[in-house]
Amino acid sequence: QITLKESGPTLVKPTQTLTLTCTFSGFSLSTSGVSVGWIRQPPGKALEWLALIYWDDDKRYRPSLKTRLTITKDTSKNQVVLTMTNMDPVDTATYYCTHSLDYGDPIQHWGQGTLVTVSS
Amino acid sequence: DIVMTQSPDSLTVSLGERATINCKSSQNVLYSSNNKNYVAWFQQKPGQPPKLLIYWASTRDSGVPDRFSGSGSGTDFTLTISSLQAEDVAVYYCQQYYSTPYSFGQGTKLEIK
Repeated sequence: QITLKESGPTLVKPTQTLTLTCTFSGFSLSTSGVSVGWIRQPPGKALEWLALIYWDDDKRYRPSLKTRLTITKDTSKNQVVLTMTNMDPVDTATYYCTHSLDYGDPIQHWGQGTLVTVSS
Repeated sequence: DIVMTQSPDSLTVSLGERATINCKSSQNVLYSSNNKNYVAWFQQKPGQPPKLLIYWASTRDSGVPDRFSGSGSGTDFTLTISSLQAEDVAVYYCQQYYSTPYSFGQGTKLEIK
C-alpha cells in the first residue's frame, strides 16, 4: 500500500522560507522511473503543479516559480523536501505530495495535503 | 506551457442523467510514438485530495465505476458520467502530463439538480 504524508508549518510569515516534507511508504525513490511531486491548491481554487523529482535526481519546476523552489530527496529516509523562498499571502494553499510509478505516468497517489497560511 | 481549458465551469444534472465535461489543451498532447494521449481526469470532493479517475484519456483507473468514461484525442477531451449518482457530486479536473509544467484545467463543479 502506497501512502504519502506532508508535514511542515501551518503558518509562515511573509518573506519567510517554507520547508515541507513528504514522507512516503510502499515504494522506493531509487526504483527506475519513480517520481514524487508537489501540487498546491489555494482555498476554493484550482490545482497548480509545482515541482517533480525523479528517482535519478532529475528535477522539474514550474517556470514561474523556479527561482523560489527547490526539491530534494533523501532516499534512505523515504522523504522528499520542497522549499519555497520569499513566501507571500498569495502562496496560502493546501500543498499536496504526489507519486507516479514510471516516466510519463499520471499521478497515481496523493497525500492528504497540508494547509499553509502565509500571514503576518 | 500547455494551457488546459475546461467547460463548463459548473454543471447541474439530475440523478440518473448524463453529465459531460469538456477539456481543451492549447497544444497536442498525443505522443505519436506510442499513440497515447497524456490526459488524466481527477475527481475532488470537499476536504479530500483529488482521486484519479481516467488516464491516457480513456483508461479507467482500478475501482472506478464504469459509468465514468473518457474520450478524445489530440487537443479535445471529454469526461462523461453516464448516469449521475449522488456520490458523484464533486469538482472534476483534467490534467495534461505530456510536458512539464504538468497543467490542470480550472475545474468543473458538478451538482445535482
